[in-house]
This record gives sequence, C-alpha cells and structure tokens, in this order.
Amino acid sequence: NAGVTQTPKFRVLKTGQSMTLLCAQDMNHEYMYWYRQDPGMGLRLIHYSVGEGTTAKGEVPDGYNVSRLKKQNFLLGLESAAPSQTSVYFCASSYSQGSMNIQYFGAGTRLSVL
Amino acid sequence: GENVEQHPSTLSVQEGDSAVIKCTYSDSASNYFPWYKQELGKGPQLIIDIRSNVGEKKDQRIAVTLNKTAKHFSLHITETQPEDSAVYFCAAMDTGRRALTFGSGTRLQVQP
Repeated sequence: NAGVTQTPKFRVLKTGQSMTLLCAQDMNHEYMYWYRQDPGMGLRLIHYSVGEGTTAKGEVPDGYNVSRLKKQNFLLGLESAAPSQTSVYFCASSYSQGSMNIQYFGAGTRLSVL
Repeated sequence: GENVEQHPSTLSVQEGDSAVIKCTYSDSASNYFPWYKQELGKGPQLIIDIRSNVGEKKDQRIAVTLNKTAKHFSLHITETQPEDSAVYFCAAMDTGRRALTFGSGTRLQVQP
C-alpha cells in the first residue's frame, strides 16, 4: 500500500517551460488536492477535485491547470513556468466522514524555476 | 473563505517540558480542526483532530482544545522528546470548498 505517490521528486525548469506533476493514490479516495508550500506561508491550496472528472479552484490557482481523468490520478500542469512558481508542491487525498476531512499527503515535489 | 492564523512561528523547549501552539480561525461555520506534523523532507501527517462538538481531545502526550466562542484552538504536547522536533500545522475545514485552510506553521525544536 503506497498511499500517495508524487512524481517527480525534484525538477528544475527554465522560465517559460511547461511541465506536469503527477499524483497517484491507491486508497480509493474521492477527494484530491494540490498545495504549494513556501517559507513562512504554510500550505496554500492551488486546485482540488471532489471526484473523477471534476476540478475546482483553490486559493492560488493562477498559472496552474489540473485534470482528474481517473479517480486515482490528479495532474498539476504549469503551461509557462515563472520564477514565482518555485516552491515545494504537495498532493493530498482524502475521504470524508461527515464533517471530517482526513488528508494523506505525498512526499512532495521540489520545483525550481530559473 | 476561511482564514487561519497560527502562533508562534518558532518554539524552542527543553526536553521534558510542555509545548503549546495556538491557532485562530475566522469562519464560525468551520467544524473540523486537524493538526499535522511535518518532518524534514516529508509531507505533513495528521497527528490529532477535533470536531466542533467536542471541547478537548487527548491522545497520549498530545491534546487539542477548542473554544468555538472565541474561535481558537490549541495543540498541547507534554513531556516533549527530541523526536517531537518538526513543523506543526493547524487547519480548519473551509465548509464552502470542503477543503482545509492551513495555518502558517510552527517550527518546534526540542533541546535534549
């Protein structure tokens, strides 16, 4: 049982390049999330999905796109990378029990945009 | 949307002492408040959570208290150990998005 797996673990991009981060979960969770983590700012929600084929914007969605074609996968795309997108990106998945939302996180992707 | 503030940003204690981290939230409709621990190079991991119909919850050396009237909740770690050193995040459920809003984190260092 791998939980939440993120690929790649590290990436360096030049300004203007594009890339896709992959998140895969094997827990049959309905909800999936993408966050970015910057020093002193905690985790900020980029986009999320409440089920296969659905996506929604979070707190900081500009410059990112997502897709959830399969329940177990949630992809985060950067169409034209900018230095401001240098960050550590975390994916999470969760099940929901009433008012609870227990999220399980991947190990993160460290992205540098030069 | 929800806004969560967390204090302090750093906390240093001696091994065996207690540590307290405090958070406030803005949305009175929020009803779920988890705490996550993040070790270096890893993703956050849930350590304890509390729902709004409960005032306090304990799990061995950690406890969380919630004051809905004042809209604040706290994490208490007793008998701290060096392995408690990590970054701790509080969060509140954003009932509109059904997603969590996180605080900015507290770096806890336990000195042996």
